[in-house]
Amino acid sequence: LAKTTQPISMDSYEGQEVNITCSHNNIATNDYITWYQQFPSQGPRFIIQGYKTKVTNEVASLFIPADRKSSTLSLPRVSLSDTAVYYCLVGDDRGSTLGRLYFGRGTQLTVWP
Amino acid sequence: GAGVSQSPSNKVTEKGKDVELRCDPISGHTALYWYRQRLGQGLEFLIYFQGNSAPDKSGLPSDRFSAERTGESVSTLTIQRTQQEDSAVYLCASSPPGAHTNYGYTFGSGTRLTVV
Repeated sequence: LAKTTQPISMDSYEGQEVNITCSHNNIATNDYITWYQQFPSQGPRFIIQGYKTKVTNEVASLFIPADRKSSTLSLPRVSLSDTAVYYCLVGDDRGSTLGRLYFGRGTQLTVWP
Repeated sequence: GAGVSQSPSNKVTEKGKDVELRCDPISGHTALYWYRQRLGQGLEFLIYFQGNSAPDKSGLPSDRFSAERTGESVSTLTIQRTQQEDSAVYLCASSPPGAHTNYGYTFGSGTRLTVV
């Protein structure tokens, strides 16, 4: 089971780019890297997934180095509404391992005006 | 439905009472999951259904907790003789069949359970 480590909290200001790095030193060959976002009083929401190199969608970019032992979620020009907890998961292409999603404490991102 | 629906959204119960929490997954989603999230904590896995069978119940914290699922639809999580430490948000998620997806799991908004 690949364990993930990410910062507990981060602060930013509106309009800035935010990069959240996750370490997953024992990631397996078949594992994908998946990020979820959770707002207060809501369930987590899938935001992006990748296997290697770079993935970009309308919400974020995901950078994965060649050794895949870490990944960086990049949020361009954040706004107040990006304040949320961000979770990094490693597992199959849904983010699960043996049928489960393993969520750690995540990173609490707070965006200030 | 369009998303995963959970009911009730909030439940306050007295210690020692039984509660039932309901989850309606997205139509066609064969896998269904229950998680618990205590205030300020990450998600804690409870149980996983594939169809109406539960290959993994190992996360259920005690024999006061049970869950069932009818076919590939509604699931009910039952907590008997509730205790104050059961207070948490109970989240349900579902996912479609097949090995590949590019959108992960879909979560409901949860049921906030408060045991007083």
